[in-house]
Amino acid sequence: QVQLQESGPGLVKPSQTLSLTCSVSGGSISNNNHYWNWIRQHPGKGLEWIAYIHYRGGTYQNPSLRSRITTSIDTSKNQFSLKLSSVTAADTAVYYCARDNSGYASFDSWGQGSLVTVSS
Amino acid sequence: QSALTQPASVSGSPGQSITISCTGTSSDVGAYKYVSWYQQHPGKAPKLMIYDVSNRPSGVSNRFSGSKSGNTASLTISGLQAEDEADYYCSSYTTSSTYVFGTGTKVTVL
Repeated sequence: QVQLQESGPGLVKPSQTLSLTCSVSGGSISNNNHYWNWIRQHPGKGLEWIAYIHYRGGTYQNPSLRSRITTSIDTSKNQFSLKLSSVTAADTAVYYCARDNSGYASFDSWGQGSLVTVSS
Repeated sequence: QSALTQPASVSGSPGQSITISCTGTSSDVGAYKYVSWYQQHPGKAPKLMIYDVSNRPSGVSNRFSGSKSGNTASLTISGLQAEDEADYYCSSYTTSSTYVFGTGTKVTVL
């Protein structure tokens, strides 16, 4: 059974870049049917899809965040990563990594979530 | 892209059935059969309950069912149980090859 685990700083200063990595265990990140996603949840609010990346390099981002997002995937480490630049307090959220097993919004495995606070 | 619209809250007594709606547009919910539903208990990660409008993953109770008509998808929970009290979110694939979530619905078991 695949497991996902987010890692990264819990505190980021305004205007800096938020960086998170998701480590995948129990399955290969190079499965052609799987798409690897970042999703966030502002405190007390709903879910917001951020981006996905496929091991072949294909990637899509939320249009409202696209200019600030960089995603990457490292098949040798079975990890994928998110960088969000020029952060503000509005980027304070729990960030989840999740697997989409079809490419059509079927998130069947999730990490436990990583709280990132943007504050000076 | 705008979030899909869900009622803020729905409640029901144990044993009853409730339905949560998820309204989008012809660019998301109405475009494909790619709507999914998630259950989230406080402090936990979401759990996939329904995918592709009406399919249940292995291990999910058959008390949960999904459907879609036009730009609106629905999740029905039958035989409501205390453990069903949680937040529920819909999600849809879009014509821009992106994903969008619903605003979320808090289900209360009376």
